[in-house]
Amino acid sequence: GQQVMQIPQYQHVQEGEDFTTYCNSSTTLSNIQWYKQRPGGHPVFLIQLVKSGEVKKQKRLTFQFGEAKKNSSLHITATQTTDVGTYFCAGPTGANSKLTFGKGITLSVRP
Amino acid sequence: NAGVTQTPKFQVLKTGQSMTLQCAQDMNHEYMSWYRQDPGMGLRLIHYSVGAGITDQGEVPNGYNVSRSTTEDFPLRLLSAAPSQTSVYFCASSYSRGDYYEQYFGPGTRLTVT
Repeated sequence: GQQVMQIPQYQHVQEGEDFTTYCNSSTTLSNIQWYKQRPGGHPVFLIQLVKSGEVKKQKRLTFQFGEAKKNSSLHITATQTTDVGTYFCAGPTGANSKLTFGKGITLSVRP
Repeated sequence: NAGVTQTPKFQVLKTGQSMTLQCAQDMNHEYMSWYRQDPGMGLRLIHYSVGAGITDQGEVPNGYNVSRSTTEDFPLRLLSAAPSQTSVYFCASSYSRGDYYEQYFGPGTRLTVT
């Protein structure tokens, strides 16, 4: 079946450093979504990318969808302690309402 | 709007017991899903529904039943709890807006089976 992969599962950065993580799919995706889960919380939708090569920015976060629509990246500029959490990517499996999530990357930020 | 609500927040069961995790949304969303989250495993889809009366299996459906009699409610039933079902369970709802399907998650239910 379709796989959505995020490696590594943990990353530690110094506050102020940039951070980039990647998401790879075994199949072409119609769209890709990113979610953030704070420690002890629930996943919260960040963004959805639909078009090949699409780039979207949210303040210090930049999201990109690959040209082949099989991978995506999340870049955080000048990380802050508020960026701590687990970031998941997810792609639809068949119907758009049925999502396959990656295992997530847990980001810790040293102040 | 309350969004997506889940009850209970915490539950401890003994092996073999049954129970129902409740999920409700007040956003009139068509789609609802149940996920379980285990350390290192991400979010895995248990069951989902595309509307009242319509449900389908996800990646890990064994040991769980669902029904969707109304748009608002999507309960998850554990038929005979096993220690392997110890997990955090999240319910989510979403709507379609063209190509966009943003999912809203509930606060979760932390279940321990002894």
